[in-house]
Order: sequence, then C-alpha cells, then structure tokens
Amino acid sequence: AQKVTQAQTEISVVEKEDVTLDCVYETRDTTYYLFWYKQPPSGELVFLIRRNSFDEQNEISGRYSWNFQKSTSSFNFTITASQVVDSAVYFCALTYISSGSARQLTFGSGTQLTVLP
Amino acid sequence: NAGVTQTPKFRVLKTGQSMTLLCAQDMNHEYMYWYRQDPGMGLRLIHYSVGEGTTAKGEVPDGYNVSRLKKQNFLLGLESAAPSQTSVYFCASSSTGRGTEAFFGQGTRLTVV
Repeated sequence: AQKVTQAQTEISVVEKEDVTLDCVYETRDTTYYLFWYKQPPSGELVFLIRRNSFDEQNEISGRYSWNFQKSTSSFNFTITASQVVDSAVYFCALTYISSGSARQLTFGSGTQLTVLP
Repeated sequence: NAGVTQTPKFRVLKTGQSMTLLCAQDMNHEYMYWYRQDPGMGLRLIHYSVGEGTTAKGEVPDGYNVSRLKKQNFLLGLESAAPSQTSVYFCASSSTGRGTEAFFGQGTRLTVV
C-alpha cells in the first residue's frame, strides 16, 4: 500500500518570505514517480513537477525548487520570495510503475498556503 | 485544445436520485480516472480505466459505477445518491508513458441533500 503524508494542513506567510511544503511518502515499490500539483482558488489542478525514484537531483524552476531524498522518503517543495498568487492548495502525489497498470495517483491531504500582502 | 472536459460543473441532487457525470478528453489518452475530493482528505480514486471497454475499482468505489464505451469518454454514475457522496469530482486522463502526469478536468461540485 502507498501513502503520502502532508503534515502541514495550513501555512500562512507574508509576501516575499520563503516557504517549504513537506511531503513524506511510503511505498514498497522500487520504481515510482512523485508529483506536485497546485490547486488555486478557482479549483483546477495544475501539474507542477514530476520526479522518478531513480533521480535524486534537486530541481529549480524560477522561484520553485524541489528536494527529493530517498533516504528520508521525502519530496519537499520550496517557494522562494512568495507572492500572493502562490496562495493555493498544494498536493503531493505518488504513483507506481507496473506493466499493464494505469498511473493511479495516491494523493496527500494537501497543504493550504496563504500568502499575505 | 480542450484537454479534459467535465459535465456538469455543478449539480444538486436529492437523496435517492441518480445522475451521470460525463468526462471527455481529446488527447487520445488510454488511461482515465475518476477521483473525489473531500476536505482534509486530498483526492481519492473511485474508478479507473486502462482502455476502451475496461474499468477497474479504485480506493472508494462503493455507490458508483463507470463505463468507457468510447476511448475519449468516461462516465461516472450514481444510481442512488447519498449525502455522503457530496463532494467535488475530478476526472483525469493520462498516456501510457512512464511517469506521465495526469491531466485533470475542472471538477464537478455535487451536493446531495
């Protein structure tokens, strides 16, 4: 069974502060992918990043960066110099890769980020 | 490019009524999914399909049925709605590629009274 834990239910920061969203996962599979999705107030789910279980390189995309550590089963997401537009619910998700299976996602419960002006 | 389209966007049902949610994708994806989103619980998989004519149960399938008669469409049915099925429903699709991301529809907010 797979499990994704986002222990931070709500985070509130002031604009321009840095913020890190935590994600811890459990899986018995050796081949898997991790994702982050953003859900703004409008409700749609926006894909942000994927990382496979064999690639522990950190990634930076503009103000966003991700830290994947297999040793601690964590895939944390940092927003640098946060902006009001970053206010959203952020979901971490996990899928395993198995021949013939679909790519079902196991989601964490989400972290509501509020960036105050 | 429309991506994944869900119909309707909002619906209020009375307990015991039935309805069908329609999902259509135009990306020629093999895999399609229905999730429900409830406060504090993230998204949970209801049913999914690995191709036309196939369906399978997810984590929370009770009270729902699905059909995939055409590759581009995935229908979610509620035969006898219950208040516990009040939720936001998301349809998604993905290709067969390893690690491919899922593309989500805009969601359907369903209230059962």
